[in-house]
Amino acid sequence: DADVTQTPRNRITKTGKRIMLECSQTKGHDRMYWYRQDPGLGLQLIYYSFDVKDINKGEISDGYSVSRQAQAKFSLSLESAIPNQTALYFCATSGQGDQPQHFGDGTRLSIL
Amino acid sequence: GNSVTQMEGPVTLSEEAFLTINCTYTATGYPSLFWYVQYPGEGLQLLLKATKADDKGSNKGFEATYRKETTSFHLEKGSVQVSDSAVYFCALGNQAGTALIFGKGTTLSVSS
Repeated sequence: DADVTQTPRNRITKTGKRIMLECSQTKGHDRMYWYRQDPGLGLQLIYYSFDVKDINKGEISDGYSVSRQAQAKFSLSLESAIPNQTALYFCATSGQGDQPQHFGDGTRLSIL
Repeated sequence: GNSVTQMEGPVTLSEEAFLTINCTYTATGYPSLFWYVQYPGEGLQLLLKATKADDKGSNKGFEATYRKETTSFHLEKGSVQVSDSAVYFCALGNQAGTALIFGKGTTLSVSS
């Protein structure tokens, strides 16, 4: 079983719809992250959380919100999806300090 | 602010050729440096890391040395295989662990 699981793997939806992407982990890490990947742009940080009561904005948080339901669960929501949010979304986890991050397999989101 | 610049791709090589993917960084302090690899349809996987100057990270025949004097962390492999075809990302960490800063990625294609 994967250590970091993202659901769904693929989603096609329409402009204006509310979308939730879910992430769960079995690594026991406190830190969780949501990134967005666009072709030629690398990965950009949307939100991150250091524990259940800690939520922080990343560099591109506008239009997104998150919820840390438990240590193992971190969901990303698009309240009213727009086409330029079409991208590949990754969840990641890490231990304390400057530890490597561990990524899920991604959710490919298309907004028509 | 902190940033990472890596060579643009795609890089196309024949099997058994020598590989270099350049990565330079701008940072305050002494960040950790990482190389991640992304195979088609998958999330990012940690390939190697180095945490201080002159450290050499290595894994699966790939190597990179943390060069503080040139602010570089170039990825090398002496003999690439078709199975090495993927997108490679250089990344910069920090002690706070707030996020990784990624380069834009370099696509490597290896033909037999």
